[in-house]
Amino acid sequence: EAQVTQNPRYLITVTGKKLTVTCSQNMNHEYMSWYRQDPGLGLRQIYYSMNVEVTDKGDVPEGYKVSRKEKRNFPLILESPSPNQTSLYFCASSTPALNTGELFFGEGSRLTVL
Amino acid sequence: AQTVTQSQPEMSVQEAETVTLSCTYDTSESDYYLFWYKQPPSRQMILVIRQEAYKQQNATENRFSVNFQKAAKSFSLKISDSQLGDAAMYFCAYKGRNSGYALNFGKGTSLLVTP
Repeated sequence: EAQVTQNPRYLITVTGKKLTVTCSQNMNHEYMSWYRQDPGLGLRQIYYSMNVEVTDKGDVPEGYKVSRKEKRNFPLILESPSPNQTSLYFCASSTPALNTGELFFGEGSRLTVL
Repeated sequence: AQTVTQSQPEMSVQEAETVTLSCTYDTSESDYYLFWYKQPPSRQMILVIRQEAYKQQNATENRFSVNFQKAAKSFSLKISDSQLGDAAMYFCAYKGRNSGYALNFGKGTSLLVTP
């Protein structure tokens, strides 16, 4: 089954404790990205990657890091989480081969930073 | 930057009735995609319908249809014969055809379906 898989789905952590949210897709998509969703703000892009070893900032990159060492994986790293990073996070992927502009989303990761 | 505006934070519809969710966008591009995504309580983002700007015909998917008014930069979603399972947050999104893969999302409309 074609899918984007995120882990963990739920996480409660404390300020300053480094954490990583993993994302993996099995569709051989070149493009991957991370969004955060906050009430009243919709979804905002954090980082994206056009291909292996190619990453760039989105609209809200502060406090986050990413890496793209393999085509299928795109982890989101919070080096020193703060309460304002409490949010719902989505990983998404796509490919130009589709020519539809559609993004395929993971199931979301609910992060709470105390 | 392109902006997407959903002016209705919440909407309510009775089962079997029809409801229209509004979306407007701002862009200087001539070719782009527009989307409606549904987010039920499970939080999964589900593509409901997609419209390509160069196509004049409004997209339709079963009970879901859009009213795409390119000159007015309007992209409303009509849900016919509403069902309880339609209750969700609905997001309108924009993507320029030649401007990468990022989607610009509206803030969402929460749809309540009453029996």
